[in-house]
Amino acid sequence: DAGITQSPRHKVTETGTPVTLRCHQTENHRYMYWYRQDPGHGLRLIHYSYGVKDTDKGEVSDGYSVSRSKTEDFLLTLESATSSQTSVYFCAIRRGITSGSSNEQFFGPGTRLTVL
Amino acid sequence: EDQVTQSPEALRLQEGESSSLNCSYTVSGLRGLFWYRQDPGKGPEFLFTLYSAGEEKEKERLKATLTKKESFLHITAPKPEDSATYLCAVKASYDKVIFGPGTSLSVIP
Repeated sequence: DAGITQSPRHKVTETGTPVTLRCHQTENHRYMYWYRQDPGHGLRLIHYSYGVKDTDKGEVSDGYSVSRSKTEDFLLTLESATSSQTSVYFCAIRRGITSGSSNEQFFGPGTRLTVL
Repeated sequence: EDQVTQSPEALRLQEGESSSLNCSYTVSGLRGLFWYRQDPGKGPEFLFTLYSAGEEKEKERLKATLTKKESFLHITAPKPEDSATYLCAVKASYDKVIFGPGTSLSVIP
């Protein structure tokens, strides 16, 4: 258990509305990630963060923004949700080198988002 | 282009029937290969990391092996509780991890 929670766990929204998903970690890890998981595509990276206010884009970042104002929280925002953003969203953390496992990512429970 | 593929897409086994899942990859420089287990409605659960060809890792009925082009997840005498989707991922650069589409395993009592 990497101490990761995601909220909400389920959300249904309408096209054009803004949506914010929250990832919270309790272990003070520097690296945090947002992925989406769709049938046939596997997990695809949306954005990641390597520190407070330090973020970068992943392979499917269009239509998404992120913010990290404190170490424990990483927010994913869909400014204007579209049906193509219906997916399951996972947050992940990567432990630092000092923990002896600097490469593996550990995942939260996911948020199922439906955009009607 | 960096790529990860997994086969088969789905596998159905009788309890006790051993088998293997395959993960093939093409990356410019492998910095680690990971196996995860994912149960329905849950996040992926980390199983193993492999770094170099010839390396093996074991956990209960699972054993992961690595060659220069592929990895195998061997499942010995599986039980129904081993039913899950198994994901393979490779780390291609400092912060780039590519996931395969997964193999859905069903173990029938």
